[in-house]
Amino acid sequence: GAGVSQSPSNKVTEKGKDVELRCDPISGHTALYWYRQSLGQGLEFLIYFQGNSAPDKSGLPSDRFSAERTGGSVSTLTIQRTQQEDSAVYLCASSLGSPSRDTQYFGPGTRLTVL
Amino acid sequence: QQQVKQSPQSLIVQKGGISIINCAYENTAFDYFPWYQQFPGKGPALLIAIRPDVSEKKEGRFTISFNKSAKQFSLHIMDSQPGDSATYFCAASNFNKFYFGSGTKLNVKP
Repeated sequence: GAGVSQSPSNKVTEKGKDVELRCDPISGHTALYWYRQSLGQGLEFLIYFQGNSAPDKSGLPSDRFSAERTGGSVSTLTIQRTQQEDSAVYLCASSLGSPSRDTQYFGPGTRLTVL
Repeated sequence: QQQVKQSPQSLIVQKGGISIINCAYENTAFDYFPWYQQFPGKGPALLIAIRPDVSEKKEGRFTISFNKSAKQFSLHIMDSQPGDSATYFCAASNFNKFYFGSGTKLNVKP
Protein backbone atom coordinates (compact mmCIF):
# COMPACT_ATOMS: atom_id res chain seq x y z
CA GLY A 1 0.00 0.00 0.00
CA ALA A 2 0.94 3.66 -0.16
CA GLY A 3 3.43 4.98 2.32
CA VAL A 4 3.56 8.37 3.98
CA SER A 5 3.42 11.13 1.42
CA GLN A 6 4.42 14.76 1.78
CA SER A 7 3.90 17.78 -0.38
CA PRO A 8 5.43 19.77 -1.80
CA SER A 9 8.73 17.94 -2.13
CA ASN A 10 10.55 21.24 -2.44
CA LYS A 11 9.51 24.72 -1.39
CA VAL A 12 11.46 27.92 -1.95
CA THR A 13 10.08 31.00 -0.26
CA GLU A 14 11.12 34.49 0.64
CA LYS A 15 11.88 35.56 4.18
CA GLY A 16 8.74 36.75 5.90
CA LYS A 17 6.29 34.67 3.86
CA ASP A 18 4.08 31.95 5.35
CA VAL A 19 4.36 28.34 4.18
CA GLU A 20 2.19 25.25 4.59
CA LEU A 21 3.59 21.74 4.43
CA ARG A 22 1.29 18.77 4.05
CA CYS A 23 1.56 15.21 5.30
CA ASP A 24 -0.66 12.29 4.32
CA PRO A 25 -0.02 9.45 6.76
CA ILE A 26 -0.60 5.79 6.08
CA SER A 27 -4.31 5.05 6.28
CA GLY A 28 -5.35 3.88 9.74
CA HIS A 29 -2.25 5.16 11.49
CA THR A 30 -3.22 6.99 14.65
CA ALA A 31 0.17 8.48 15.53
CA LEU A 32 1.76 11.25 13.48
CA TYR A 33 5.02 13.12 14.03
CA TRP A 34 6.68 16.13 12.47
CA TYR A 35 10.47 16.45 12.59
CA ARG A 36 12.96 18.95 11.26
CA GLN A 37 16.28 17.83 9.79
CA SER A 38 18.85 20.54 9.25
CA LEU A 39 21.80 19.93 6.95
CA GLY A 40 24.10 17.31 8.43
CA GLN A 41 22.09 17.11 11.63
CA GLY A 42 19.85 14.59 13.27
CA LEU A 43 16.12 14.82 13.44
CA GLU A 44 14.59 17.38 15.76
CA PHE A 45 11.17 16.55 17.19
CA LEU A 46 8.55 19.22 16.51
CA ILE A 47 5.07 17.90 17.31
CA TYR A 48 3.26 14.62 17.96
CA PHE A 49 -0.39 13.73 17.34
CA GLN A 50 -1.97 10.60 18.81
CA GLY A 51 -5.55 9.88 17.87
CA ASN A 52 -7.93 12.48 19.21
CA SER A 53 -5.69 13.47 22.11
CA ALA A 54 -4.27 16.98 22.43
CA PRO A 55 -1.00 17.11 20.48
CA ASP A 56 2.40 17.28 22.16
CA LYS A 57 3.70 20.61 20.87
CA SER A 58 6.72 20.77 23.11
CA GLY A 59 9.21 20.63 20.22
CA LEU A 60 7.89 23.59 18.25
CA PRO A 61 10.78 26.11 18.20
CA SER A 62 8.67 29.26 18.25
CA ASP A 63 5.09 30.50 18.04
CA ARG A 64 5.61 30.97 14.30
CA PHE A 65 5.22 27.20 13.99
CA SER A 66 1.88 25.47 14.24
CA ALA A 67 0.35 22.22 13.09
CA GLU A 68 -3.03 20.66 12.85
CA ARG A 69 -4.38 17.26 12.00
CA THR A 70 -7.82 17.14 10.47
CA GLY A 71 -10.09 14.15 10.99
CA GLY A 72 -7.25 12.16 12.47
CA SER A 73 -5.59 11.87 9.07
CA VAL A 74 -3.95 14.62 7.01
CA SER A 75 -1.68 17.03 8.85
CA THR A 76 -0.48 20.49 7.93
CA LEU A 77 2.58 22.19 9.38
CA THR A 78 2.44 25.96 9.04
CA ILE A 79 5.40 28.29 9.45
CA GLN A 80 4.52 31.97 9.62
CA ARG A 81 6.90 34.80 8.78
CA THR A 82 9.61 32.39 7.67
CA GLN A 83 13.22 33.07 8.60
CA GLN A 84 16.40 31.82 6.93
CA GLU A 85 17.10 29.55 9.91
CA ASP A 86 13.85 27.71 9.10
CA SER A 87 15.55 26.25 6.01
CA ALA A 88 15.64 22.49 6.52
CA VAL A 89 14.00 19.25 5.48
CA TYR A 90 10.70 18.74 7.28
CA LEU A 91 9.84 15.09 7.78
CA CYS A 92 6.54 13.54 8.71
CA ALA A 93 6.18 10.05 10.16
CA SER A 94 3.23 7.90 11.15
CA SER A 95 2.72 4.69 13.06
CA LEU A 96 -0.24 2.41 13.67
CA GLY A 97 -0.22 3.09 17.40
CA SER A 98 2.54 4.00 19.76
CA PRO A 99 5.83 4.36 17.82
CA SER A 100 7.65 2.49 20.56
CA ARG A 101 5.50 -0.55 19.83
CA ASP A 102 4.73 -0.07 16.14
CA THR A 103 7.15 0.90 13.40
CA GLN A 104 7.38 4.59 12.61
CA TYR A 105 7.21 5.15 8.83
CA PHE A 106 8.72 8.33 7.42
CA GLY A 107 7.73 10.30 4.38
CA PRO A 108 10.33 11.59 1.90
CA GLY A 109 10.26 15.06 3.43
CA THR A 110 9.76 18.60 2.21
CA ARG A 111 12.92 20.58 1.60
CA LEU A 112 12.24 24.17 2.60
CA THR A 113 14.57 26.93 1.47
CA VAL A 114 14.04 30.44 2.80
CA LEU A 115 15.83 33.11 0.78
CA GLN B 1 21.50 19.72 25.75
CA GLN B 2 21.92 16.89 23.31
CA GLN B 3 20.04 13.88 24.65
CA VAL B 4 21.74 11.32 22.40
CA LYS B 5 25.35 11.57 21.28
CA GLN B 6 26.42 9.59 18.22
CA SER B 7 29.86 8.78 16.85
CA PRO B 8 31.62 8.71 14.51
CA GLN B 9 30.27 11.39 12.23
CA SER B 10 31.51 9.47 9.20
CA LEU B 11 32.88 6.01 8.61
CA ILE B 12 34.62 4.31 5.70
CA VAL B 13 34.68 0.53 5.67
CA GLN B 14 35.88 -1.96 3.11
CA LYS B 15 33.38 -4.40 1.64
CA GLY B 16 33.09 -7.40 3.91
CA GLY B 17 34.26 -5.49 6.97
CA ILE B 18 32.40 -4.65 10.17
CA SER B 19 30.86 -1.21 10.62
CA ILE B 20 30.39 -0.03 14.20
CA ILE B 21 28.44 3.06 15.22
CA ASN B 22 28.11 4.14 18.82
CA CYS B 23 25.55 6.12 20.76
CA ALA B 24 25.38 7.33 24.34
CA TYR B 25 22.49 8.75 26.31
CA GLU B 26 21.90 10.33 29.70
CA ASN B 27 18.23 9.93 30.47
CA THR B 28 17.68 6.59 32.22
CA ALA B 29 13.94 6.88 31.54
CA PHE B 30 14.47 6.07 27.87
CA ASP B 31 12.86 2.70 27.15
CA TYR B 32 13.18 2.18 23.42
CA PHE B 33 16.28 2.49 21.24
CA PRO B 34 15.82 2.29 17.47
CA TRP B 35 18.29 2.65 14.63
CA TYR B 36 17.29 4.22 11.33
CA GLN B 37 18.88 4.06 7.89
CA GLN B 38 18.51 6.98 5.52
CA PHE B 39 19.43 7.13 1.85
CA PRO B 40 19.83 10.49 0.09
CA GLY B 41 16.52 12.09 -0.75
CA LYS B 42 14.55 9.58 1.30
CA GLY B 43 13.09 9.58 4.77
CA PRO B 44 14.68 7.44 7.48
CA ALA B 45 13.59 3.81 7.68
CA LEU B 46 13.59 1.72 10.82
CA LEU B 47 16.43 -0.81 10.71
CA ILE B 48 16.41 -2.49 14.10
CA ALA B 49 15.40 -1.57 17.64
CA ILE B 50 16.03 -2.75 21.18
CA ARG B 51 14.55 -2.34 24.63
CA PRO B 52 16.72 -2.00 27.77
CA ASP B 53 15.75 -5.40 29.15
CA VAL B 54 18.03 -7.18 26.66
CA SER B 55 21.72 -6.69 25.96
CA GLU B 56 21.80 -7.68 22.32
CA LYS B 57 19.50 -8.04 19.36
CA LYS B 58 20.44 -9.46 16.00
CA GLU B 59 18.58 -9.25 12.71
CA GLY B 60 20.50 -10.64 9.77
CA ARG B 61 23.76 -8.72 9.41
CA PHE B 62 22.65 -6.02 11.85
CA THR B 63 23.20 -6.28 15.60
CA ILE B 64 22.45 -3.83 18.42
CA SER B 65 24.56 -4.14 21.54
CA PHE B 66 23.12 -2.43 24.60
CA ASN B 67 24.98 -1.57 27.81
CA LYS B 68 22.47 -0.26 30.31
CA SER B 69 24.98 0.50 33.07
CA ALA B 70 27.17 2.52 30.70
CA LYS B 71 24.14 4.10 29.00
CA GLN B 72 25.53 3.20 25.62
CA PHE B 73 24.33 1.25 22.63
CA SER B 74 25.88 0.46 19.31
CA LEU B 75 25.03 -0.82 15.85
CA HIS B 76 27.22 -3.44 14.24
CA ILE B 77 26.91 -4.18 10.55
CA MET B 78 28.61 -7.44 9.70
CA ASP B 79 29.89 -8.21 6.19
CA SER B 80 29.28 -4.60 5.16
CA GLN B 81 28.19 -4.13 1.55
CA PRO B 82 28.29 -1.10 -0.77
CA GLY B 83 24.48 -1.09 -0.63
CA ASP B 84 24.76 -0.35 3.10
CA SER B 85 26.25 3.06 2.27
CA ALA B 86 23.82 5.47 3.88
CA THR B 87 23.40 7.70 6.91
CA TYR B 88 22.53 5.91 10.13
CA PHE B 89 20.75 7.52 13.06
CA CYS B 90 20.33 6.18 16.55
CA ALA B 91 17.44 7.35 18.66
CA ALA B 92 16.09 7.02 22.16
CA SER B 93 12.50 7.29 23.22
CA ASN B 94 10.49 7.97 26.34
CA PHE B 95 6.73 8.47 26.41
CA ASN B 96 6.57 8.55 22.60
CA LYS B 97 9.03 11.42 22.34
CA PHE B 98 12.05 10.56 20.22
CA TYR B 99 15.54 12.02 20.46
CA PHE B 100 17.89 11.38 17.57
CA GLY B 101 21.65 11.29 17.30
CA SER B 102 23.34 13.52 14.76
CA GLY B 103 23.92 10.70 12.28
CA THR B 104 26.80 8.68 10.87
CA LYS B 105 27.51 8.70 7.18
CA LEU B 106 28.73 5.23 6.23
CA ASN B 107 30.63 4.61 3.01
CA VAL B 108 31.38 1.00 2.17
CA LYS B 109 34.15 0.74 -0.40
CA PRO B 110 33.84 -2.07 -2.99
